[in-house]
Amino acid sequence: EAGVTQSPTHLIKTRGQQATLRCSPISGHTSVYWYQQALGLGLQFLLWYDEGEERNRGNFPPRFSGRQFPNYSSELNVNALELEDSALYLCASSNKGYREYTEAFFGQGTRLTVV
Amino acid sequence: AQKVTQAQTEISVVEKEDVTLDCVYETRDTTYYLFWYKQPPSGELVFLIRRNSFDEQNEISGRYSWNFQKSTSSFNFTITASQVVDSAVYFCALAQRDTGRRALTFGSGTRLQVQP
Repeated sequence: EAGVTQSPTHLIKTRGQQATLRCSPISGHTSVYWYQQALGLGLQFLLWYDEGEERNRGNFPPRFSGRQFPNYSSELNVNALELEDSALYLCASSNKGYREYTEAFFGQGTRLTVV
Repeated sequence: AQKVTQAQTEISVVEKEDVTLDCVYETRDTTYYLFWYKQPPSGELVFLIRRNSFDEQNEISGRYSWNFQKSTSSFNFTITASQVVDSAVYFCALAQRDTGRRALTFGSGTRLQVQP
């Protein structure tokens, strides 16, 4: 069974541009979480989608947004990129999510570099 | 607010030594979940274990064991007879049952270096 897959693996953007990161959850999983791992800031929660709805978001500005598609895949959009957005973006999926809690499994991440 | 503290930033051991990674958490909820994840250099977070707040039974899985003590709000992780492949950053994390706080709160991680 395939794990959580993220694309692209690496992304280089210029300050002010927009970045789109994609995530395909494990088959059967309906919940997708996005986390940012920036140097010196640790792992921080960004967004949680379950069954197509945004359920919760972390303490990030509105230029971080996303959506979940009917097949439960998800994309994260970062607008007006800033240098400090450079980080590893990790996506995770779980198979229940909103109705009951189960552990999340992570993808390999997308390393975003803003120059 | 919830918080996870991993006081050990980096630990270095020689192969075959036992090593314990400490994790202390804070939460006001009575129902919560604790996790350990491993992050090798490749970057992917590998799930190791989940423990529910109402289950204080300790667990052993091969060379790995976990000691959950609610009285001291600790969830420590021990690797017995460490191996070079255990070298990674290990994260302890906490999640609440409340759907508004379902996302993981991570500790800052402990980098484990196992020398041959």
